[in-house]
Amino acid sequence: GQSLEQPSEVTAVEGAIVQINCTYQTSGFYGLSWYQQHDGGAPTFLSYNALDGLEETGRFSSFLSRSDSYGYLLLQELQMKDSASYFCAVREDYGQNFVFGPGTRLSVLP
Amino acid sequence: AAGVIQSPRHLIKEKRETATLKCYPIPRHDTVYWYQQGPGQDPQFLISFYEKMQSDKGSIPDRFSAQQFSDYHSELNMSSLELGDSALYFCASSPPRDRGMELHFGNGTRLTVT
Repeated sequence: GQSLEQPSEVTAVEGAIVQINCTYQTSGFYGLSWYQQHDGGAPTFLSYNALDGLEETGRFSSFLSRSDSYGYLLLQELQMKDSASYFCAVREDYGQNFVFGPGTRLSVLP
Repeated sequence: AAGVIQSPRHLIKEKRETATLKCYPIPRHDTVYWYQQGPGQDPQFLISFYEKMQSDKGSIPDRFSAQQFSDYHSELNMSSLELGDSALYFCASSPPRDRGMELHFGNGTRLTVT
């Protein structure tokens, strides 16, 4: 079967750095992507990793270790607007669907 | 830039009625997906189409069906609606090959079944 795990909640202050972890168990692996979703809104694509290592996109970076079935999203210079839910998602193969993790609710405090 | 367009934004139906949700993917995206999201839940995959052919099926009830048309738009048909079908329904599309890990979501249709 497929399963992804994420922490349910993370709290940090403005300007800080936060890391949201994701571990996965899937029968195949094409890549891991990350999405941000504000309450009542649509998920928005942030970043993805198909190969091991770090991908940097502005204040957001994502890391993948395929041997450990593990990835994380790193958010730097936190802003209040970063308060949202963050989902990791695995695609087992090209053409197949994305399986989402349970989501991590990030609260950024002033 | 063009985004995924869904209609309607809100839909209120009574139990046992039928609903049809529409989705227009981003041009040149080759795969379309439908997801259902309950309050506080992660998106649950329903069904997907690759180049207009059904490519994958998730936890979609037999009361639901979907298709993708020649102009690439997709429709999700829901019959014999139940109270538990109340949720946000998202359509998403992904570009081909190198960018195939990018899932672009529409704004969703909020379905309320009374």
